[in-house]
Amino acid sequence: EVQLMESGGGLVQPGGSLRLSCAASGFTFSDYWMTWVRQAPGKGLEWVVNINEDGSEKTYVDSVKGRFTISRDNAKNSLYLQLNSLGVEDTAVYYCARGTATLPGTDYWGQGTLVSVSS
Amino acid sequence: QTVVTQEPSLTVSPGGTVTLTCASNTGAVTSGHFPNWFQQKPGQAPRSLIYYTSHKHSWTPARFSGSLLGGKAALTLAGVQPEDEADYYCLLDSGGVWVFGGGTNLIVL
Repeated sequence: EVQLMESGGGLVQPGGSLRLSCAASGFTFSDYWMTWVRQAPGKGLEWVVNINEDGSEKTYVDSVKGRFTISRDNAKNSLYLQLNSLGVEDTAVYYCARGTATLPGTDYWGQGTLVSVSS
Repeated sequence: QTVVTQEPSLTVSPGGTVTLTCASNTGAVTSGHFPNWFQQKPGQAPRSLIYYTSHKHSWTPARFSGSLLGGKAALTLAGVQPEDEADYYCLLDSGGVWVFGGGTNLIVL
């Protein structure tokens, strides 16, 4: 059974940092590109970043470029998102999702982890 | 910057048929935008329904179908069930940059 479990969310002050993790199981992690999507409270979905299977290609939404960094450790079946210089506008539930095997899109999603940025 | 537009809200009767659409401000939506559709119920994570315009996942109910319609991506629900009441989001790929639509709140009434 494919499972994705996010962790690392919490309350942080503006300007602070957090590192989110996504533990994957039930599939060969290194065969799939991965993505992070976020959702601000009461708002819609916002794509954040994609990473390819070996971590050599990363694509970010403009609003997080230079502040967020995606990475993966295929040996540990884990995906990460380093969040730096956080602002109140980054408050959201962050979801990790698995990419479809061959075409842009996703299939399995985690349950999300909440990041709250507040003073 | 690509902006993706969906109907904010639609209402459908149980057993009825409804089509949700997904438009891009850059022009017609094509299969090259790899349209995806997602369902999200309150308090739950999104669930992928459709990828590459019309391809279904193994868990996608048969009553859901994706297509291109009049320059837009479309999600059609035929024989709507009460449990289909949810928010629906489309996603377009614009040269490797993904953009979600604002979502459609589907009310089954």
